[in-house]
Amino acid sequence: EAGVAQSPRYKIIEKRQSVAFWCNPISGHATLYWYQQILGQGPKLLIQFQNNGVVDDSQLPKDRFSAERLKGVDSTLKIQPAKLEDSAVYLCASTPLGGTNEKLFFGSGTQLSVL
Amino acid sequence: RKEVEQDPGPFNVPEGATVAFNCTYSNSASQSFFWYRQDCRKEPKLLMSVYSSGNEDGRFTAQLNRASQYISLLIRDSKLSDSATYLCAVNNAGGFKTIFGAGTRLFVKA
Repeated sequence: EAGVAQSPRYKIIEKRQSVAFWCNPISGHATLYWYQQILGQGPKLLIQFQNNGVVDDSQLPKDRFSAERLKGVDSTLKIQPAKLEDSAVYLCASTPLGGTNEKLFFGSGTQLSVL
Repeated sequence: RKEVEQDPGPFNVPEGATVAFNCTYSNSASQSFFWYRQDCRKEPKLLMSVYSSGNEDGRFTAQLNRASQYISLLIRDSKLSDSATYLCAVNNAGGFKTIFGAGTRLFVKA
């Protein structure tokens, strides 16, 4: 079974530039999550999708971050413009239904460095 | 107060030692509890779910104390390969979102 696919693996940009990350969840998984993990910290949920609808985006900095999952399958996360403090690993995860007892399946992440 | 708190460590233990980690959570309505393992520069992977009755998987034992709002992970007979960061995760009622602690780093030495 293919896992969660993410690209790119690494990205280096200068502050104020834009960047986009892509995620393809496990086939058939209805729920998709984007987490931000800053070095030395645990993953922080940015946004949660159920199919193509947003379930929770309360911690997404909406002035600069946006995400979409138009067809309910793959998703993109965009940062525009980037700040130094956005340097982190961006992890995508998926679950079959989004239920409380489901484990998260993570992709390998995109490591973003903002200079 | 953070929703999920862990001692960041690091814990430095010799092979064969027993080590225990605790994690506290603030939302009394939390429904599901997990321990994830994260190797350096890798993604988190589920180690085990934590059930009210406690559960064991080989050398690993997880327990939940709802009254005191904490979960624990016990590792017996530590191996070098156990060296990693252990993330406590709590799934809250309502939004079903999973909240992670900052993780506890474990180093097992030969």
